[in-house]
Amino acid sequence: GQQVMQIPQYQHVQEGEDFTTYCNSSTTLSNIQWYKQRPGGHPVFLIQLVKSGEVKKQKRLTFQFGEAKKNSSLHITATQTTDVGTYFCYPPGKSTFGDGTTLTVKP
Amino acid sequence: DVKVTQSSRYLVKRTGEKVFLECVQDMDHENMFWYRQDPGLGLRLIYFSYDVKMKEKGDIPEGYSVSREKKERFSLILESASTNQTSMYLCASMKPGLAGTDTQYFGPGTRLTVL
Repeated sequence: GQQVMQIPQYQHVQEGEDFTTYCNSSTTLSNIQWYKQRPGGHPVFLIQLVKSGEVKKQKRLTFQFGEAKKNSSLHITATQTTDVGTYFCYPPGKSTFGDGTTLTVKP
Repeated sequence: DVKVTQSSRYLVKRTGEKVFLECVQDMDHENMFWYRQDPGLGLRLIYFSYDVKMKEKGDIPEGYSVSREKKERFSLILESASTNQTSMYLCASMKPGLAGTDTQYFGPGTRLTVL
């Protein structure tokens, strides 16, 4: 069954606007991973968070793991058209991905 | 780099046909997975395997079976294809990490259409 919930399901932004997707669990997670799937492509691993309150950055992407290790977020600053795709969170060991947030960016 | 390949990118079959989807990985990973992906439903796990000849049901195994005769190859079998099995099928191979930090590597996917 579903282990994590992602919101929103879809997000449409103007290029240059910020974007955030949230991943929530009812149980404490040992760690969380994020994947990106470009349109027509396959999911690709982005990052993994392990520690409570951990924050990691990849250029314009900021990943956070909640203090209670029950939620995580991905924030993109100043979106670009190259950011389009579906972003999935995944709690390793559960074998169940979140439903994903699909981001579209209007130039 | 890990390479996961799937036998076909696009496949068209008829209702009732037996369908084989093949997945091969070249990194000696123990764990392999089959997912299907449908609009609005995310990635749903069909079956997974932790070792040769070992298989476990995922969330939606009905209508599917799998075979893992060799470590590098994981096959998904549709015994009698039906139109509701039209979907994108994704295979993944998992690199074990420390303390459950497993990373999945996906193949390019097979888009199956059942007529």
